[in-house]
Amino acid sequence: ELKVEQNPLFLSMQEGKNYTIYCNYSTTSDRLYWYRQDPGKSLESLFVLLSNGAVKQEGRLMASLDTKARLSTLHITAAVHDLSATYFCAVEGGGGADGLTFGKGTHLIIQP
Amino acid sequence: DSGVTQTPKHLITATGQRVTLRCSPRSGDLSVYWYQQSLDQGLQFLIQYYNGEERAKGNILERFSAQQFPDLHSELNLSSLELGDSALYFCASSAMGAMNTEAFFGQGTRLTVV
Repeated sequence: ELKVEQNPLFLSMQEGKNYTIYCNYSTTSDRLYWYRQDPGKSLESLFVLLSNGAVKQEGRLMASLDTKARLSTLHITAAVHDLSATYFCAVEGGGGADGLTFGKGTHLIIQP
Repeated sequence: DSGVTQTPKHLITATGQRVTLRCSPRSGDLSVYWYQQSLDQGLQFLIQYYNGEERAKGNILERFSAQQFPDLHSELNLSSLELGDSALYFCASSAMGAMNTEAFFGQGTRLTVV
């Protein structure tokens, strides 16, 4: 059974600080996805990482993938309040075909 | 706006009842996925359809079923509803077959079973 573990599950940080969210998964996969969800809202796609060593950046967020270690990271640089949300990583497989298996999510609160 | 449309946005129904959730995928997307999000179970993959055919099943209960129609819209049918079925149900669509099979999510249907 494919397992996807995120940590931390809850993170409270101050504006201007840097932090990293970790996503470990239990089976070989070359595709990893990061999504953002605001309370009561849909999931917004942030990054699609398609190969080992992939690194993508958008604004203050940067995601990377190490398929050998089965690890992805989402790094937040100089956090701002607008980045407060729940962040999910997801891996293909486990659900069969292209169904995604999600981590439990990291609830991020950024305080002024 | 992701381009994936789900109706209704909210649904309140009684235990034992049956409901149908509807999803229209993004234009050109052949694959439709259904997910359930609850506080207990988190986000769970239920089922996938590709161009009208069932492609993969996840943690979908026998009381639940889905189908994808020739115009590619999909419906998720939930029957004999229980309190524990209360959740946010998302539909997602993707192009399939492309290198980047990123899935885009609809706004969800919030189901409350009372």
